[in-house]
Amino acid sequence: GEDVEQSLFLSVREGDSSVINCTYTDSSSTYLYWYKQEPGAGLQLLTYIFSNMDMKQDQRLTVLLNKKDKHLSLRIADTQTGDSAIYFCAAPMDSSYKLIFGSGTRLLVRP
Amino acid sequence: DAGVTQSPTHLIKTRGQQVTLRCSPKSGHDTVSWYQQALGQGPQFIFQYYEEEERQRGNFPDRFSGHQFPNYSSELNVNALLLGDSALYLCASSTGTFSGNTIYFGEGSWLTVV
Repeated sequence: GEDVEQSLFLSVREGDSSVINCTYTDSSSTYLYWYKQEPGAGLQLLTYIFSNMDMKQDQRLTVLLNKKDKHLSLRIADTQTGDSAIYFCAAPMDSSYKLIFGSGTRLLVRP
Repeated sequence: DAGVTQSPTHLIKTRGQQVTLRCSPKSGHDTVSWYQQALGQGPQFIFQYYEEEERQRGNFPDRFSGHQFPNYSSELNVNALLLGDSALYLCASSTGTFSGNTIYFGEGSWLTVV
């Protein structure tokens, strides 16, 4: 079945770039998603990329997709303390309606 | 434009009791999915409702049931609560056709079973 894996923790200095990585197994995934979760809150849709794209940029966010290696990354430029949160990568299973989430990457931004 | 709204935000139940959680999808969305997020983990898919029917279900027991109303809002019911049901329950809304849609989540309902 579908599996999504992420590194668990990333610490960066304020103003630096952050790169959060994700790998997935289902090559039929049409859209791939990045969500942000702040403490005690729900999931905020940050961005998504269609599987026929290699890159998508949205203000400080850049998503890179390597379909051959089934690797997805989220780059946050000029990382701010408000970016500290857990970031989830999610992919649909078997082109269905069910999203499979990674375990989340906790981003800590140091002043 | 209201986003996905869920109620209640927090609740405490006793083992063996039953709970009902509610969700109103984002305006223009007709599909509601429910996810369970245990502490420190990613969300797990419970089921999805479209046109008032359960369209797909994850690996959850029959104690978990749901309903979708004609106005697209939805309820998640959990019977015979166990301590392990303590989690954040998230509702996600989207449009009926999967391809090309975006999926938005609500703030969730925190359920504690004691």
